[in-house]
Amino acid sequence: IAGITQAPTSQILAAGRRMTLRCTQDMRHNAMYWYRQDLGLGLRLIHYSNTAGTTGKGEVPDGYSVSRANTDDFPLTLASAVPSQTSVYFCASSDGAGRGVDTQYFGPGTRLTVL
Amino acid sequence: DAKTTQPNSMESNEEEPVHLPCNHSTISGTDYIHWYRQLPSQGPEYVIHGLTSNVNNRMASLAIAEDRKSSTLILHRATLRDAAVYYCILRGLTGNQFYFGTGTSLTVIP
Repeated sequence: IAGITQAPTSQILAAGRRMTLRCTQDMRHNAMYWYRQDLGLGLRLIHYSNTAGTTGKGEVPDGYSVSRANTDDFPLTLASAVPSQTSVYFCASSDGAGRGVDTQYFGPGTRLTVL
Repeated sequence: DAKTTQPNSMESNEEEPVHLPCNHSTISGTDYIHWYRQLPSQGPEYVIHGLTSNVNNRMASLAIAEDRKSSTLILHRATLRDAAVYYCILRGLTGNQFYFGTGTSLTVIP
């Protein structure tokens, strides 16, 4: 079982370009999440999806969009990248069995640099 | 979800126990206490969680104060592979956010 895979592993992107970070899980989890982690800081939630077909905004959603067409995939799109979006991006999923006891499983991350 | 307070960093000698504290004075009665850790260049991984009673698993133990305003993650014998940032997080019955904060960076000294 692979768990959560993310692609690409790393990317250097020119400002103004469009970029989609891919995330796939094989655990059939209902809920999926995108976080960003800036140097020396904790993770901040960008967007989430409780189930296929639904999405919601997290703590720092501006400049990002997501879609959830099926259970397994949860892509994150930067429509027009800016240098402040340079960060490490983590995708996560949880079975959503009960919010208090939800355990999140994280992917290996995508390191994005916007120049 | 309520917020937590942790020391920025701690050190431990290898093969000695480590007690990582977390304060959560605004915890509500339905908040679960979760601990995650993040090894260098990896995504966070689940360690343990609890509600009121102390909990043990193969990775660690979680000691919860009687008033639930603080908790302690206990690594019984620290190894070099335990060097990581440890996050204490509260999870309520509603909402989707894990507030990771900055965690405690644990250094294990050989």
